This record gives sequence, C-alpha cells and structure tokens, in this order.
Amino acid sequence: QKEVEQNSGPLSVPEGAIASLNCTYSDRGSQSFFWYRQYSGKSPELIMSIYSNGDKEDGRFTAQLNKASQYVSLLIRDSQPSDSATYLCAVDQLRAAGNKLTFGGGTRVLVKP
Amino acid sequence: AAGVIQSPRHLIKEKRETATLKCYPIPRHDTVYWYQQGPGQDPQFLISFYEKMQSDKGSIPDRFSAQQFSDYHSELNMSSLELGDSALYFCASSELGAPYEQYFGPGTRLTVT
Repeated sequence: QKEVEQNSGPLSVPEGAIASLNCTYSDRGSQSFFWYRQYSGKSPELIMSIYSNGDKEDGRFTAQLNKASQYVSLLIRDSQPSDSATYLCAVDQLRAAGNKLTFGGGTRVLVKP
Repeated sequence: AAGVIQSPRHLIKEKRETATLKCYPIPRHDTVYWYQQGPGQDPQFLISFYEKMQSDKGSIPDRFSAQQFSDYHSELNMSSLELGDSALYFCASSELGAPYEQYFGPGTRLTVT
C-alpha cells in the first residue's frame, strides 16, 4: 500500500461545475497536508495547506481534512479550463524543518468548456 | 514575489558524465529540498538541508551528493550518470518555522544520452 494514494483520473468536469479530488494516507501520525497543482512539464505550485480537522477555504478552493478517516480532499468550485492540470496531494509526516513531502500519484483534472 | 531559482533549466549529458544542479532558495528561506520526477511519476524526495546541515535523506543514489552553502544556496552533484537519471529535478525551499510550506523552483530537465 502506498503511503499516500489518489485516484489517477482523469476527472472530467464541465466548466463551471465543482471538481472533487480525494486523497488517503496511511500514517495516522501525519501532521501537515498540502495540495499542489502541476501543469505538464512545469513545477508543482502550492495551492492549499491544511493542518487541522475541518474545512479551509481559499477563493475557489476548499480543502477538507479528516484525520480519523485519514482522508483529505480538495474541492474546486466554478471550474475553469485553466484548472486543467494534475493535482498532487502531499503529506508531511513530521512537520519539521527539512522533512520530506510524500506525494500521491496525482489526479489529472480536465475541465471541458 | 521572488521565487526559487534553479540553474541550468536544461542539461544534456552523456552516460558516465557528471552534472551539477544549482538551487537558490527564496530570500529568508533557510531550508532546501531536492526532488526527482520521472515521466508520468510524482516527485520523489532525494535530500534536504536545514541551516546548511543535512536534514532528511530519501532515495538518493550514492552517485549523487549535495550540500548547502553559507548563503543557503544548494548544489546537487551527480556522477557516473545513467540513462535512468533522465528526469526533472526540482528544488524547493521553506522558511524557518512552521508550517514548513515548500515552494518549488521551475526545475532542471536533465537528459542523459
């Protein structure tokens, strides 16, 4: 079992709809959770971070964390064609300086006009 | 805002050659991370440095070495290059203190022929 798992997709979403991405992790002690967006051939771009159970909203993005279920999700509201990318879930198990991020395989999202 | 700088952006080497990748973190960031991303894969952690000391180590081959200098920039040295080393190499940096969010540079695309 991978430490961090995501559905690889593609997740096809009509323009203006909500895209829902899911991520599960195996280490119950994991501390910090991040969502990165990565366009093909480009670097990962941090779009959301979440550390406590519940929801965190930033613009059109909402991250949800449930540590009991070891589950983190990302909602993208009013999806735009420019949101078409791979979304990487990343977990920091220790939340300490220099500690690695472990990534899920990424979910490819396609927003169709 | 200033971002992570990596050089060179593209590098072509032959098998058994050496390569040096450079990373300049965001100003006031003292922690640097190196990741390798192969085609169709998610980023894999190689090594990190905090305050010029190695902090965490991942699946970095013995042929690779890295260090962080007094100005916080970092270099990844790769020797006896193999075809399988062809990948995108990302450097990320984070600032002192929680939440240790990692911001990625544009990457160096290494091609080994």
